[in-house]
Amino acid sequence: DAGVTQSPTHLIKTRGQQVTLRCSPISGHKSVSWYQQVLGQGPQFIFQYYEKEERGRGNFPDRFSARQFPNYSSELNVNALLLGDSALYLCASSQKTEGYGYTFGSGTRLTVV
Amino acid sequence: GQNIDQPTEMTATEGAIVQINCTYQTSGFNGLFWYQQHAGEAPTFLSYNVLDGLEEKGRFSSFLSRSKGYSYLLLKELQMKDSASYLCAVSRASGGSYIPTFGRGTSLIVHP
Repeated sequence: DAGVTQSPTHLIKTRGQQVTLRCSPISGHKSVSWYQQVLGQGPQFIFQYYEKEERGRGNFPDRFSARQFPNYSSELNVNALLLGDSALYLCASSQKTEGYGYTFGSGTRLTVV
Repeated sequence: GQNIDQPTEMTATEGAIVQINCTYQTSGFNGLFWYQQHAGEAPTFLSYNVLDGLEEKGRFSSFLSRSKGYSYLLLKELQMKDSASYLCAVSRASGGSYIPTFGRGTSLIVHP
């Protein structure tokens, strides 16, 4: 069985640009959560989706948005990129919204220059 | 709000035992996770405590005291491959969902 897959693995963008990150959950998992991890810090919660509905949102500006598709895959969009958005973006999937059973993808390393 | 505190870095010797502590303050507490994260890799699940007490799983054990807002991860018979960051995460109920909030992580360095 495939795990949580994220694409792309690495990305370099310029300040002010927009970026879309993609996540495919484990088959059968209906919940997807997004986290931002800055080097040396723990993952910071951005969004949680379940059955295509937003179930939680962290303390991130409106430049961050996400959605979940009927096949439960998800996209994270970030507009007007800032240097401080440089981080590892992790996607985690689970069958329901409980954190128990979270499986993380390997992440997308975003560098903003 | 939430506050999760764990040591930034710990060192230990191969074959020894190490205890990584985590203290937290939160409302709507549902449970506490420990994850392991090797450099450049995704976090992997180690344990989940909901009730007070000790849960043992091979070389790793995790303890929770809900009344004290305290947990620890105990690693026995340390191996070099245990060098990694250990993340404490508190799950809290929020709007019908459960959102794990992570601490900064404890970087464990195992020496030969």
